[in-house]
Amino acid sequence: QVHLQESGPGLVRPSQTLSLTCTVSGDSINSGEFYWTWIRQPPGKGLEWIGYIHYSGSTYYIPSLKSRVSISMDTSKNQLSLKLRSITAADTAFYYCARGGGWFDPWGQGTLVTVSS
Amino acid sequence: EIVMTQSPATLSVSPGERATLSCRASQGVSRNLAWYQQKAGQAPRLLIYGASARAIGIPATFSGSGSGTEFTLTISSLQSEDFAVYYCQQYNNWPYTFGQGTKLEIK
Repeated sequence: QVHLQESGPGLVRPSQTLSLTCTVSGDSINSGEFYWTWIRQPPGKGLEWIGYIHYSGSTYYIPSLKSRVSISMDTSKNQLSLKLRSITAADTAFYYCARGGGWFDPWGQGTLVTVSS
Repeated sequence: EIVMTQSPATLSVSPGERATLSCRASQGVSRNLAWYQQKAGQAPRLLIYGASARAIGIPATFSGSGSGTEFTLTISSLQSEDFAVYYCQQYNNWPYTFGQGTKLEIK
């Protein structure tokens, strides 16, 4: 059974860089079969797809975040990472990793990141 | 960017009855449409992909239909565990986009 688990700081100061990790078990991120995705959800609001990465190195980022975001893989640890630069309060959200490049299944449980000084 | 619009925003239905949720795309997405269920405090769970294919482990009480710009999620005979927020998502065009959600509440 595939399981994804996000980890990272719960509180980040404005203007800093947010760094999150997603550890995958039950599947190999370098199998090439799937894309691996990050999605976020501000508390009480809807879902926003951030972008995804494939083992081949192919990435796609939502245009509104493209200048600030990067997604990478560490195949030795079976992890994917998200970095979001120059964060503001508007980046406060639950951040989820998920498997898939079209529909997303399964999802990690999510981690809440609050941007505050 | 394709805008996904869900209706209604809130749907009140009695247990045992049928619920019909709608999702409209601002331009055609073929059948590249997924539905998710999100319960309070949990991550979303995939219900439907390809507009009508049920994900593994999803009961037959959930069914999806539609193509192009109009889609429907039907939940027949609602159980207590089905009351949640439901999102549609298109994956036909980048960037992939979600609807704003329909909250299904107990009447």
